[in-house]
Amino acid sequence: GDSVTQMEGPVTLSEEAFLTINCTYTATGYPSLFWYVQYPGEGLQLLLKATKADDKGSNKGFEATYRKETTSFHLEKGSVQVSDSAVYFCALNYGGSQGNLIFGKGTKLSVKP
Amino acid sequence: ETGVTQTPRHLVMGMTNKKSLKCEQHLGHNAMYWYKQSAKKPLELMFVYSLEERVENNSVPSRFSPECPNSSHLFLHLHTLQPEDSALYLCASSQVSSSTDTQYFGPGTRLTVL
Repeated sequence: GDSVTQMEGPVTLSEEAFLTINCTYTATGYPSLFWYVQYPGEGLQLLLKATKADDKGSNKGFEATYRKETTSFHLEKGSVQVSDSAVYFCALNYGGSQGNLIFGKGTKLSVKP
Repeated sequence: ETGVTQTPRHLVMGMTNKKSLKCEQHLGHNAMYWYKQSAKKPLELMFVYSLEERVENNSVPSRFSPECPNSSHLFLHLHTLQPEDSALYLCASSQVSSSTDTQYFGPGTRLTVL
C-alpha cells in the first residue's frame, strides 16, 4: 500500500541555519503531496503542497519539490527561526471520494537562538 | 468564525462517562474527517464523511460513534472509553474533487480518560 517515510527526529538547529527534512513516498498512482506543520498545543496547518511531478510548493520561506524519479518531497528552508520550532508532517493523498491523507510519523524541529 | 473549529479544546472524562466532541467547518466543504493523534503513533484516520455519508471506517472501536448531520457539522460521540483512548482528536474538512483534496484541520480536542 501507499506510505510516507520521514527522517527521524528530533532535529535541533541554531537560528539562521539551513533546514532539510527528508520525505520519501511509496504510491501506486500519482498522488498529491503535502507538508503540514503542528505548532505546540495546536492542530495541523497546511504549509505547502504540490499536485504533480516537478511542481514546487512554497510558503513562509519553506520549499519542497515533487520528485517523481526519486519519489521524494524534501522540505527545505534557507534560514530557520526560533518560531519555526514545530512538528512537520509529510503526507500524500489522491483526489476523489477517497480523500484520506496518509501521513509520515512527523519530524520535530527545535530551533535554538 | 473562519476555518475549522472544534469544541471543547480540552476534555477530561471517566471511563463510564458519555461525552461528545464537536467540529464545525466554515469553508463550504463537502467532506469531513476525524483523526486520532497519540503520543507515539502516526496520525490515524478514524472516520470520513463525504457528502454527509460515511465513506470509510478504519475498524475503530464501537465506543467511538460519529455523526454528521449536515456538511458543516461533525460529531464524535464517546462512551465507556479506555485510558489508551487519551489523545488529541483532530477534525478536518476538504472539498472532494477529481484531482486533489486539500484538508484543513481544526485545533483539536485534547482528551484525557481517567
